[in-house]
Amino acid sequence: AQSVTQPDIHITVSEGASLELRCNYSYGATPYLFWYVQSPGQGLQLLLKYFSGDTLVQGIKGFEAEFKRSQSSFNLRKPSVHWSDAAEYFCAVGPPGGSQGNLIFGKGTKLSVKP
Amino acid sequence: GAVVSQHPSRVICKSGTSVKIECRSLDFQATTMFWYRQFPKQSLMLMATSNEGSKATYEQGVEKDKFLINHASLTLSTLTVTSAHPEDSSFYICSAALTGTQHFGDGTRLSIL
Repeated sequence: AQSVTQPDIHITVSEGASLELRCNYSYGATPYLFWYVQSPGQGLQLLLKYFSGDTLVQGIKGFEAEFKRSQSSFNLRKPSVHWSDAAEYFCAVGPPGGSQGNLIFGKGTKLSVKP
Repeated sequence: GAVVSQHPSRVICKSGTSVKIECRSLDFQATTMFWYRQFPKQSLMLMATSNEGSKATYEQGVEKDKFLINHASLTLSTLTVTSAHPEDSSFYICSAALTGTQHFGDGTRLSIL
């Protein structure tokens, strides 16, 4: 069965500290991989995506993610967290090849930032 | 680029009324749009896939007569919640697909009194 697991429901980090949000997936083939961020009462904003090629992808707002095929993981990282990064983060997978299939979302990780 | 506009952002209405939510891709054409529902502190639940010029594909358990979807053009999909009741209160989010990536609107908070 296709699924996305975000093991951490809630993470709290201090401002300026590094961050890693975990994401593991189960999929028949290597899917397209995404990280989205959602602020309260807002829609989802795309942070970054992986389709193919270099397994370390850079996104907006200083985020990066690394695809590890052997671990079926796509963890999100940021070297220094800012208070404005507090939000809900969703990992998602979609069908490879650019077809217009639906995404499968993880349950999300809520990030809190301590001053 | 790839901006999706969703309107209205918030609706409060009485039980029994119908509510229409619009989803527009502002700077690209989208043959496929998606409608999601999100319950408090939960992830997104796909309700239906909207394809331009054809009938929408609904996920299991979603009432197609309750949630009417129309995708009349390459830039507009609408979701109409018919005869809404308090249990339909939720956060509804649309997305539009462009080259394998879904771009999301800002969502609509629907509250049925």
